Amino acid sequence: LAKTTQPISMDSYEGQEVNITCSHNNIATNDYITWYQQFPSQGPRFIIQGYKTKVTNEVASLFIPADRKSSTLSLPRVSLSDTAVYYCLVGGLKTGANNLFFGTGTRLTVIP
Amino acid sequence: EAQVTQNPRYLITVTGKKLTVTCSQNMNHEYMSWYRQDPGLGLRQIYYSMNVEVTDKGDVPEGYKVSRKEKRNFPLILESPSPNQTSLYFCASSRGRSEQFFGPGTRLTVL
Repeated sequence: LAKTTQPISMDSYEGQEVNITCSHNNIATNDYITWYQQFPSQGPRFIIQGYKTKVTNEVASLFIPADRKSSTLSLPRVSLSDTAVYYCLVGGLKTGANNLFFGTGTRLTVIP
Repeated sequence: EAQVTQNPRYLITVTGKKLTVTCSQNMNHEYMSWYRQDPGLGLRQIYYSMNVEVTDKGDVPEGYKVSRKEKRNFPLILESPSPNQTSLYFCASSRGRSEQFFGPGTRLTVL
């Protein structure tokens, strides 16, 4: 089971770009990388998912190097409402198993 | 509206009194899962199900049971709750490896 390592916390000023890196040295060939956002007392919410290289959607970008042992979530021009915990998740469909590991996440605090 | 619902949202109970937390999704998802969240420990998976009648243990299954008799429902059963099961519980569903949709959470206190 591929587990992940992220910084416990990060601070950023409003309007800055934030990059959160996740380490997943034991990622398997068929594993995807997914990022979630969670606000207090709410369930996590999907942000972005990728397998390799770069993926971009309307809220974030995900950068994955060729060896796939790490990934970086990039949030452009953060606002106060981006203050949340961000989880990096590695997993995929495998025959007979599909358990997923969230870890403790990265607590991002956006400062005015 | 596509959603995952959980009931109850809040529950205070006593040690040893059996309880069930229901989870239902209306998106026809094959995959459903239960997590617990505790301060400093993040989200930990309890059980997951890849389809009807197919369930498997996650990272912290001890003290919990699940069943998947229908595709839309995935109840979490605590046969004999103990105080160390006081936690915030989330149910989630997805279609395969795609994004998981989470319920609103159930805050359980076991006295």
